[in-house]
Amino acid sequence: GQNIDQPTEMTATEGAIVQINCTYQTSGFNGLFWYQQHAGEAPTFLSYNVLDGLEEKGRFSSFLSRSKGYSYLLLKELQMKDSASYLCAVKDSNYQLIWGAGTKLIIKP
Amino acid sequence: GAVVSQHPSWVICKSGTSVKIECRSLDFQATTMFWYRQFPKQSLMLMATSNEGSKATYEQGVEKDKFLINHASLTLSTLTVTSAHPEDSSFYICSAEVLAGGPNEQFFGPGTRLTVL
Repeated sequence: GQNIDQPTEMTATEGAIVQINCTYQTSGFNGLFWYQQHAGEAPTFLSYNVLDGLEEKGRFSSFLSRSKGYSYLLLKELQMKDSASYLCAVKDSNYQLIWGAGTKLIIKP
Repeated sequence: GAVVSQHPSWVICKSGTSVKIECRSLDFQATTMFWYRQFPKQSLMLMATSNEGSKATYEQGVEKDKFLINHASLTLSTLTVTSAHPEDSSFYICSAEVLAGGPNEQFFGPGTRLTVL
C-alpha cells in the first residue's frame, strides 16, 4: 500500500529552527509537496521537490532524497504565525496526490 | 497565484435536506478539481476527482449517490450532499490543479463548514 509518515506534533520556540520530517512509500514518484494549514482554513502551497536536493524559499526550505523516500521541511527564524499543521503529499505514478496526516507545529514564545 | 473560491463558506441545515457547495477557479481554467473533507484535527481525505465534462471518480468508501459532483465547465464544480445527516457535518474543501508545465500544485478554496442538525 501507499504510505506517508510524518510526526503528529512538534513544539519549537519562537526564533528557533525546526525540521519536520516526512517519509514515503508510494507506487512511483512524481514530486513531493509541502502545504501549510492553519486551523479552520484550507491548505496553502509551500514547496515542491521533484529532484534530490534542497529547495530554499525565504525562511522555508525543503529537502528531498528519492533513494531514501525522505523529505524534510526546514523552518528558520520561527514566528508565532508559523503555528499550523504542515502536510506532506506525494504524487504517485498515476499523478494522484497521496497525503500525509500532517504535523501540528506549536510555537512557544 | 491561482485563486479558487468556494460558496458558501459555512452552512447549517436540517437533517434530510440537500446542500450544494460551489467551487470556482477565478483566474484560470481547471480541467481537474478535487473534493476533500476534513474532520476536526484530522488530515484531508480525498472524496473524489472531478473532470470537466465527464463523471467524477470517487474514492473507495465514498457514496456517489450521496455526494453528487458536477463539473459542468472549466471554472465550476459543484458538490451536492443529498439527504444530509449529522455525521456528514465536516469541513469540505475543493482544490484545482493548474496544468502549466510547473509542479502542478493544487490550489485550495477556503473551504465550506457544513453543520447538519
